[in-house]
Amino acid sequence: EAGVAQSPRYKIIEKRQSVAFWCNPISGHATLYWYQQILGQGPKLLIQFQNNGVVDDSQLPKDRFSAERLKGVDSTLKIQPAKLEDSAVYLCASSAPYQETQYFGPGTRLLVL
Amino acid sequence: GNSVTQMEGPVTLSEEAFLTINCTYTATGYPSLFWYVQYPGEGLQLLLKATKADDKGSNKGFEATYRKETTSFHLEKGSVQVSDSAVYFCALTLNSGYSTLTFGKGTMLLVSP
Repeated sequence: EAGVAQSPRYKIIEKRQSVAFWCNPISGHATLYWYQQILGQGPKLLIQFQNNGVVDDSQLPKDRFSAERLKGVDSTLKIQPAKLEDSAVYLCASSAPYQETQYFGPGTRLLVL
Repeated sequence: GNSVTQMEGPVTLSEEAFLTINCTYTATGYPSLFWYVQYPGEGLQLLLKATKADDKGSNKGFEATYRKETTSFHLEKGSVQVSDSAVYFCALTLNSGYSTLTFGKGTMLLVSP
């Protein structure tokens, strides 16, 4: 079966610009996660969706980050405006109903100059 | 709160050497424990997991045993290969229904021929 798809793979922007990342989870996976992975650190959860509802967004910097999963399938994460400290890899993951194992996409590497 | 502590890297080994990467955790409740591996330029892949005390997870020659008494989940492999060079992340999730993962900082493994 196809894995978690993400695009773009790489993005370079200047600070104060906006950027959007897209994720398509594994078919049938109700739960979708966005993580931020700063160089040298483990991934940190930004937001978690169950179908099209938000389960946990306590770590999401809501003044600049937003995410949506309108039809309960694919999802978009947006940063507006970007800061230098947003440079990181943004990972999307999904999991099947009632299953705790998460499957990760290849990530989007963001560099903010 | 929940946390995962891993030994700092890089761990540098020669091919066929024995590998141990230490992982300890703090959790409120009874977590499931995971090891994920991240190869250069790729997303995270599940390596193995254990869901209750004394369980042993294994995959591709890697093993880890869930030790509740020492709150540990150390990763071992009897004979490493150059292709095992990657970053290894220990993680936990509480069986609370929504499976949020808490990651350690990761340990880089470098295996030389």
